[in-house]
Amino acid sequence: GQQVMQIPQYQHVQEGEDFTTYCNSSTTLSNIQWYKQRPGGHPVFLIQLVKSGEVKKQKRLTFQFGEAKKNSSLHITATQTTDVGTYFCAGDFGNEKLTFGTGTRLTIIP
Amino acid sequence: DADVTQTPRNRITKTGKRIMLECSQTKGHDRMYWYRQDPGLGLRLIYYSFDVKDINKGEISDGYSVSRQAQAKFSLSLESAIPNQTALYFCATGPGRGNQPQHFGDGTRLSIL
Repeated sequence: GQQVMQIPQYQHVQEGEDFTTYCNSSTTLSNIQWYKQRPGGHPVFLIQLVKSGEVKKQKRLTFQFGEAKKNSSLHITATQTTDVGTYFCAGDFGNEKLTFGTGTRLTIIP
Repeated sequence: DADVTQTPRNRITKTGKRIMLECSQTKGHDRMYWYRQDPGLGLRLIYYSFDVKDINKGEISDGYSVSRQAQAKFSLSLESAIPNQTALYFCATGPGRGNQPQHFGDGTRLSIL
């Protein structure tokens, strides 16, 4: 079936360090979305990537979509305590629904 | 997202009981979704609807049913609850025209004893 693999499952970083989570699909994606879920909260949309090789930035967050549209990454520079949460990628295989990755749970050590 | 309201927020019930989770939205979106979240498994799609009376099975529909009688409402039922349906359930909405960003409710935490 169509799956989106996401690694790592957990990441603990010192405040100020960088963080990256990766998503991979075995088949080409139409587009990919990223969501953030704060502890005890619900997923909140961050961004959508559509074009091959696309790179988008939101302040300290950098999102990339691979050239083959099969992988994506989210990189956070100089993490802050407000970055704590679980980050999900969600792939669109062109079938009008999203397939979510398993998420990467980020914890920050002050 | 206050525009997507789920009720109840928490529910504890016993095996074999029928349970209904409700979702209502004021965003005017055509598309509505039910997801289940389990630790380490991410969000898995149970059912989705693109319009009133339109129902589509998701990845894990067995043991669940849904109803979409109005654009703003999408309910999820567990006809005979079992313990492995204990999870956090999210409703989400999205506008039509392709896979646009989804807006999630606050979730229903369901425990089946």
